[in-house]
Amino acid sequence: QSVLTQPPSASGTPGQRVTISCSGSSSNIGSNTVTWYQQLPGTAPKLLIYSHNLRPSGVPDRFSGSKSGTSASLAISGLQSEDEADYYCAAWDDSLSVVLFGGGTKLTVL
Amino acid sequence: EVQLVESGGGLVQPGGSLRLSCTASGFTFSSYWMTWVRQAPGKGLEWVANIKQDGSEKDYADSVKGRFTISRDNAKNSLYLQMNSLRAEDTAVYYCARGRTTGEYWGQGTLVTVSS
Repeated sequence: QSVLTQPPSASGTPGQRVTISCSGSSSNIGSNTVTWYQQLPGTAPKLLIYSHNLRPSGVPDRFSGSKSGTSASLAISGLQSEDEADYYCAAWDDSLSVVLFGGGTKLTVL
Repeated sequence: EVQLVESGGGLVQPGGSLRLSCTASGFTFSSYWMTWVRQAPGKGLEWVANIKQDGSEKDYADSVKGRFTISRDNAKNSLYLQMNSLRAEDTAVYYCARGRTTGEYWGQGTLVTVSS
């Protein structure tokens, strides 16, 4: 049921800004909030961004989210080596009555 | 401090059953939707099911509907996932998370392996 589309990989050098996209449809991203998770190697996912662009306490403001129509994006500025992780977007789908996750994007810091 | 601790994972044969538990602490468990999410080895996240605060509403992924049952015991601050008719493709780390559509906090996960 993974109908949120993310690029499988992304990369950048320290200090650079990278963006990760998440494409959906009118029944999910188009009508509901988008959540982003960060999963460091060997650990549980961690909430990174919720309600499109809000950050839980403790998440650096280098991380930001946005949404336009049926797509969303996660931006990471001032890239650091510790940002190397898998990133997932998620949204509720009104038609399927399920939470959909994107396939995940593996971010490599070169 | 919010804590979620999963247990009950292990090795089970195809067609078998297993019951996962998630014990919550550090917050008022009965005030929150709760969710199960799984991750097959080397794969992405897959939402499994969620349950309303009082257990009156439950949603399931198509892949587990009719085989898995989510439940909760608010008196014990515990969330459960009863898994029946297990298949090889159910092999995954199972996480419990607080929230309905946003996993605000996650447990460390428990591994379920379905194999003969």
